[in-house]
Amino acid sequence: DTEVTQTPKHLVMGMTNKKSLKCEQHMGHRAMYWYKQKAKKPPELMFVYSYEKLSINESVPSRFSPECPNSSLLNLHLHALQPEDSALYLCASSQGGSGLGSQPQHFGDGTRLSIL
Amino acid sequence: QKEVEQNSGPLSVPEGAIASLNCTYSDRGSQSFFWYRQYSGKSPELIMFIYSNGDKEDGRFTAQLNKASQYVSLLIRDSQPSDSATYLCAVNRIYNQGGKLIFGQGTELSVKP
Repeated sequence: DTEVTQTPKHLVMGMTNKKSLKCEQHMGHRAMYWYKQKAKKPPELMFVYSYEKLSINESVPSRFSPECPNSSLLNLHLHALQPEDSALYLCASSQGGSGLGSQPQHFGDGTRLSIL
Repeated sequence: QKEVEQNSGPLSVPEGAIASLNCTYSDRGSQSFFWYRQYSGKSPELIMFIYSNGDKEDGRFTAQLNKASQYVSLLIRDSQPSDSATYLCAVNRIYNQGGKLIFGQGTELSVKP
């Protein structure tokens, strides 16, 4: 069991659908992350939020829209995705603050996304 | 040259042996180093982190860091079949507005009974 909870665990959607991925952490962390991982590849950073503000966007296409409603919650809104966006989407959190980037990140179980 | 390099493997060791996983990095400014274990179809799990030169031990795991050689390794003593997984080395990169982890490609470890 992890302290970073992601829902749903699996999602199948069409290219015209709108859906959202959700992430919640209960560790009091102030930094949260979205990663995308394809099979046999390492996680690829998409977004970083620090103290509920977007601090890093790795030039992700606008069909992915992140949102951080509060320090415990992170959403990823999906719209008009492409088949190549099928992947495992991982949320992570870390303490945050001045040591951001130097702290261990703890991952949730991920959402496996399939685009038809 | 990739920023973080690992041998992709597979690395095969017999049960009870020591598994040695290696990682090199290119950014001399990196200060924090992490090892994650990822079972097939699962998410990465943090198993070790190290900030200072030398060895850090936690149970059967030892992380070793040599900043002069830009080298970090993970030793797994008394390897078990349950240790069979992909091991990801990650190194921090600092930005003005924060930081990020740079992952290696991962080393697949297979422990044979």
